[in-house]
Amino acid sequence: DSGVTQTPKHLITATGQRVTLRCSPRSGDLSVYWYQQSLDQGLQFLIHYYNGEERAKGNILERFSAQQFPDLHSELNLSSLELGDSALYFCASSVEDRSGNTIYFGEGSWLTVV
Amino acid sequence: AQSVTQPDIHITVSEGASLELRCNYSYGATPYLFWYVQSPGQGLQLLLKYFSGDTLVQGIKGFEAEFKRSQSSFNLRKPSVHWSDAAEYFCAVGARGSYIPTFGRGTSLIVHP
Repeated sequence: DSGVTQTPKHLITATGQRVTLRCSPRSGDLSVYWYQQSLDQGLQFLIHYYNGEERAKGNILERFSAQQFPDLHSELNLSSLELGDSALYFCASSVEDRSGNTIYFGEGSWLTVV
Repeated sequence: AQSVTQPDIHITVSEGASLELRCNYSYGATPYLFWYVQSPGQGLQLLLKYFSGDTLVQGIKGFEAEFKRSQSSFNLRKPSVHWSDAAEYFCAVGARGSYIPTFGRGTSLIVHP
């Protein structure tokens, strides 16, 4: 158990719909990351938040958005869903210490768009 | 920008045999290096990491990795593989000063009894 909690674990929804994935980082971690994992694209970095502020964007579609709240939990919002959005979405958190920045992953949220 | 290559998509070994998974990176300075393991339907679990110091790094589950600067490699090894080691293994490289590591495409380990 990494200490990163993601809900829901599984989600099935229809094309055109909107879903929200939720993440609670490890206690004390200020950074939250979202990744998408699919068979054809591998593990893709989507976005990084640090203490409530967006720090970096990766391959995140305009239909997707995220935020990190004052209590440090984060949500990833996926809208106008398409079949190709079906994937495993990971949240991760990290804390930077003297040895560097190490990322710890949650169990993921399986999204199936039908 | 940094990049990482895992040359082997699949590796098949017999239980009890030794294992080496290859990882090559591209980065202009000394990188941060990581190995993660993903069991089916699970998240990525950190096996070990290299930031500085001793180039031979010990990790969990009996794994070790060696940073070789001259070869730009960070290969993962285990002397005796167990059936429970069957999983997907990811190498990642991070730039110093950046929060975002770059992940390889992964190597799928198959263990025969």
